[in-house]
Amino acid sequence: EVRLVESGGGLVKPGGSLRLSCAASGFTFSSYTMNWVRQAPGKGLEWVSSISSSSSSIYYADSVKGRFTISRDNAENSVYLQMNSLRDEDTGVYFCAKWMGPATGTGRIDYWGQGTKVTVSS
Amino acid sequence: DIKMTQSPSSLSASVGDRVTITCRASQNINIYLSWYQQKPGKAPNLLIHAASRVQSGVPSRFSGSGSGTDFTLTINSLQTEDFATYFCQQSYNTPYTFGQGTKLEIK
Repeated sequence: EVRLVESGGGLVKPGGSLRLSCAASGFTFSSYTMNWVRQAPGKGLEWVSSISSSSSSIYYADSVKGRFTISRDNAENSVYLQMNSLRDEDTGVYFCAKWMGPATGTGRIDYWGQGTKVTVSS
Repeated sequence: DIKMTQSPSSLSASVGDRVTITCRASQNINIYLSWYQQKPGKAPNLLIHAASRVQSGVPSRFSGSGSGTDFTLTINSLQTEDFATYFCQQSYNTPYTFGQGTKLEIK
């Protein structure tokens, strides 16, 4: 059974930092691209970042580029999101998500974690 | 960035109805579109990928169609458990943009 368990969320002041973690199990983690997707309270889904299986390809949404860093540790079956210079608009639930298929084309998110809540507020 | 626009934003229907949700891309995305269902407080769940391929385990009353810029998600014979919010997402390129969502409510 595929499991994705996020942790590291919490309350942080504007300008602060948080590091989110996602522990994966139930599949060969080192073979799959992983993503972070977020959802502001009462709003829709926003793709945040993607990292390929070997970390050779990394992509970010413009809204987080230069502030967030995605990384992974295949030995630990984990993916991370380092979030710096946090803003009020970064508030939301952050989902870790497994990507199936090619990076572009017929790829899709086939499994999601339950999310970790990030609140940026003074 | 590719903009994904869903319509309607909300929809009221009854158990047993057939409903259709539309997703339009701002440019040609071939068939590179997925549909997700999300219930309150839960993570999204993949329903359809590559525009029309039903994900394993998803009931056969869900179907998808379209290519290019216009896509539809159809739910036949609505069940109680189908009342949720539905999102489309393009995978033609990054950023993998989502539609704004369609909330399906019980009439």
